[in-house]
Amino acid sequence: GENVEQHPSTLSVQEGDSAVIKCTYSDSASNYFPWYKQELGKRPQLIIDIRSNVGEKKDQRIAVTLNKTAKHFSLHITETQPEDSAVYFCAGTGFQKLVFGTGTRLLVSP
Amino acid sequence: SAVISQKPSRDICQRGTSLTIQCQVDSQVTMMFWYRQQPGQSLTLIATANQGSEATYESGFVIDKFPISRPNLTFSTLTVSNMSPEDSSIYLCSVRDSSYEQYFGPGTRLTVT
Repeated sequence: GENVEQHPSTLSVQEGDSAVIKCTYSDSASNYFPWYKQELGKRPQLIIDIRSNVGEKKDQRIAVTLNKTAKHFSLHITETQPEDSAVYFCAGTGFQKLVFGTGTRLLVSP
Repeated sequence: SAVISQKPSRDICQRGTSLTIQCQVDSQVTMMFWYRQQPGQSLTLIATANQGSEATYESGFVIDKFPISRPNLTFSTLTVSNMSPEDSSIYLCSVRDSSYEQYFGPGTRLTVT
């Protein structure tokens, strides 16, 4: 089945810097890759996703890139703000089910 | 996106008892899922709740421990049976819409003493 690995586990940046979180997946049949943001005590929220027929997708300060050949995808956050501090999870699809990465705790310091 | 509610939001239960968690969606959805999230951990899929048929369980989860019902396309329940402290966790309902996007309910925080 699908296996998703996520790095780094923690990431500390200064406000205004960029942050990059990377994930790799194992199942070449996976075709949908969402990213979730989870603030402390809250539910995971879908922030952006990408499908296998697209190489890059942007939404304001966040972007996701996908390299199908290498089987990895990344989340890019530019001009980080303190409110970006949260745990971010990537996911891939395996047999129609989302398989989640282990999460990245992002801390943005003012 | 679908609006998802869960009841209860939290509960403290005694060892050996059972708790039923309800998930209600404001629109009909084909796919509903139940996840568990232990403190500081990622999301683990317990089962896919199938409307009108038995749920599909993931490895490590069994129907006797986590019976699931899904009587229609907007409602599902998850029961945590014969609870032990190891069952203390957050349980999340999730739905997938027609565009394949998946959303989560607010979760039920369960503490077993």
